[in-house]
Amino acid sequence: EVQLLESGGGLVQPGGSLRLSCVVSGFTFTTYAMSWVRQAPGKGLEWVSAISAAAGSTYYADSVKGRFTISRDNSKNTLFLQMNSLRDDDTAVYYCAKDFRSSWFFDFWGQGTLVTVSS
Amino acid sequence: SYELTQPPSVSVSPGQTARITCSGDALPKQYAYWYQQKAGQAPVLLIYKDRERPSGIPERFSGSSSGTVVTLTISGVQAEDEADYYCQSVDSTPLFGGGTKLTVL
Repeated sequence: EVQLLESGGGLVQPGGSLRLSCVVSGFTFTTYAMSWVRQAPGKGLEWVSAISAAAGSTYYADSVKGRFTISRDNSKNTLFLQMNSLRDDDTAVYYCAKDFRSSWFFDFWGQGTLVTVSS
Repeated sequence: SYELTQPPSVSVSPGQTARITCSGDALPKQYAYWYQQKAGQAPVLLIYKDRERPSGIPERFSGSSSGTVVTLTISGVQAEDEADYYCQSVDSTPLFGGGTKLTVL
């Protein structure tokens, strides 16, 4: 059974930092690209960042470029999102999602972790 | 920049057919994908590559494409289908539509 479990969310002040983690199981992690997708309260889905299977390539939405860094540890089946210079509009549930054969769509999602940026 | 446009809401009675559209200029050249998100839950992939259904997705969910519009059709709508539905495509990176809330009357 494929499972993705996010952690690391919480309350942070504007300008602060957080590091999200996503531990996966049930599939060969090293074979698949992975993404982070977020959803602000009461709003729609927004793709945030992606990383290739071997971590050789990373991609970012313009809204987070220069502030967020995606990475992965294939030896630990874990995906990360380092978030710096956080802003109020970064408040959202952050989902990690498995890419289907590097096709830029997502066949499995975690349950999400809530990040709240507020003073 | 490229956008995907969905109606904010669609309402249908149980047993009827619901159609949710998604329009975008690049859809003739890019595949569309559909997700269902029930309240408080993570999204679930319903349709990929315009019309393919992942294993485990009921046959009442189907997708189609015509020019700049793709359509998610739910035949014989059930109360459990009440949810938000999102289309997604690719514009160098993934892009989501704004979502459609399906209400089962």
